[in-house]
Amino acid sequence: NAGVTQTPKFQVLKTGQSMTLQCAQDMNHEYMSWYRQDPGMGLRLIHYSVGAGITDQGEVPNGYNVSRSTTEDFPLRLLSAAPSQTSVYFCASGYSGTEAFFGQGTRLTVV
Amino acid sequence: AQKVTQAQTEISVVEKEDVTLDCVYETRDTTYYLFWYKQPPSGELVFLIRRNSFDEQNEISGRYSWNFQKSTSSFNFTITASQVVDSAVYFCALSEARNYGQNFVFGPGTRLSVLP
Repeated sequence: NAGVTQTPKFQVLKTGQSMTLQCAQDMNHEYMSWYRQDPGMGLRLIHYSVGAGITDQGEVPNGYNVSRSTTEDFPLRLLSAAPSQTSVYFCASGYSGTEAFFGQGTRLTVV
Repeated sequence: AQKVTQAQTEISVVEKEDVTLDCVYETRDTTYYLFWYKQPPSGELVFLIRRNSFDEQNEISGRYSWNFQKSTSSFNFTITASQVVDSAVYFCALSEARNYGQNFVFGPGTRLSVLP
């Protein structure tokens, strides 16, 4: 039982490049989400999904895209990376009202 | 609107001291959930406790205890006899039932340093 797996752990991008952060969970959770963590601001919700085929925006969705074709996978796409997207990204999954299980995080630097 | 405030940005204590981390929340929902997470220097998020809005019973788990008071919208966390391994950033978080109970709003975190 691996829990929530994120890849890669570290990534450096040039401004304007695109990339996909991968997230997979093996706990059969319907709910999955992406957060970004910036110094002094805690974690902020980017996008979330309540089940396969259903996604919605969180607090800071601009510049990111998501899709959910399976229960297990919830990739986050950066369409055209900007320095403001330098952050640590966490994927999470869980059931309604319970604790979220977080991945190990992806540290992204955009230069 | 949901909001979580952790007024203490950084706290330093000497080992074996007791320390309380404050958390104040705002919500209009009557059914909501409160959480504490720990983020050690290695960066992962470790779940500590969950409380729902209908359960104001305080909880003690080893050296950790939590005080939930709806009257003051607070969910404070106390570490008794702190240890160096308690050094971490601690986050308080809130989710509302009307937002699937999984859209978390996090506080900015409190960095706790326990000195030997």
